[in-house]
Amino acid sequence: EAGVAQSPRYKIIEKRQSVAFWCNPISGHATLYWYQQILGQGPKLLIQFQNNGVVDDSQLPKDRFSAERLKGVDSTLKIQPAKLEDSAVYLCASSLGQGSGTQYFGPGTRLLVL
Amino acid sequence: AQSVTQLGSHVSVSEGALVLLRCNYSSSVPPYLFWYVQYPNQGLQLLLKYTSAATLVKGINGFEAEFKKSETSFHLTKPSAHMSDAAEYFCAVTMRGGSQGNLIFGKGTKLSVKP
Repeated sequence: EAGVAQSPRYKIIEKRQSVAFWCNPISGHATLYWYQQILGQGPKLLIQFQNNGVVDDSQLPKDRFSAERLKGVDSTLKIQPAKLEDSAVYLCASSLGQGSGTQYFGPGTRLLVL
Repeated sequence: AQSVTQLGSHVSVSEGALVLLRCNYSSSVPPYLFWYVQYPNQGLQLLLKYTSAATLVKGINGFEAEFKKSETSFHLTKPSAHMSDAAEYFCAVTMRGGSQGNLIFGKGTKLSVKP
């Protein structure tokens, strides 16, 4: 069974530029999560989708971050414009359902904003 | 609100020694608790989870954790460390029966294993 796929693995941009990350969850997983992991900290949830609907985006900085999961499968997270403090690893995870369903993580996209 | 505190950002043990990584949680409702491991430049891999059955939970790679409600703890242990255990370990909590299921993570503990 294929795991959660993410691309790109690494991205370097200058501040005020835009960037997009892509995630393809495990086949059949209805729930998809985007986490931000800043160096030295644990992952923090940015947004959670159930199929193509948003369940929780309370911690997403909506003035610069956006995410979509149009067909309820893969998802894109965008930052526009990027700030220095956005430098982090962006992790995508998926699970069969909500609640106690185990979340499976992708390898992450490491973003450096200069 | 839920939170997780991992005591010790860095733990160093000798190969063959006991591994003990500490995790305390705060939750207003019965929680589900998880331990994840992260190897360099990789995503998180589930080691084990507690969802309300046995309080002693066995996971992969010889790790286990014990849920102690009275101490609000979920410490991770392994009897004998191996060099391959060197990684960062994260404790996480989510609300049992919650409609969302998002994980609240601790700050992580980096485990070093000396030969």
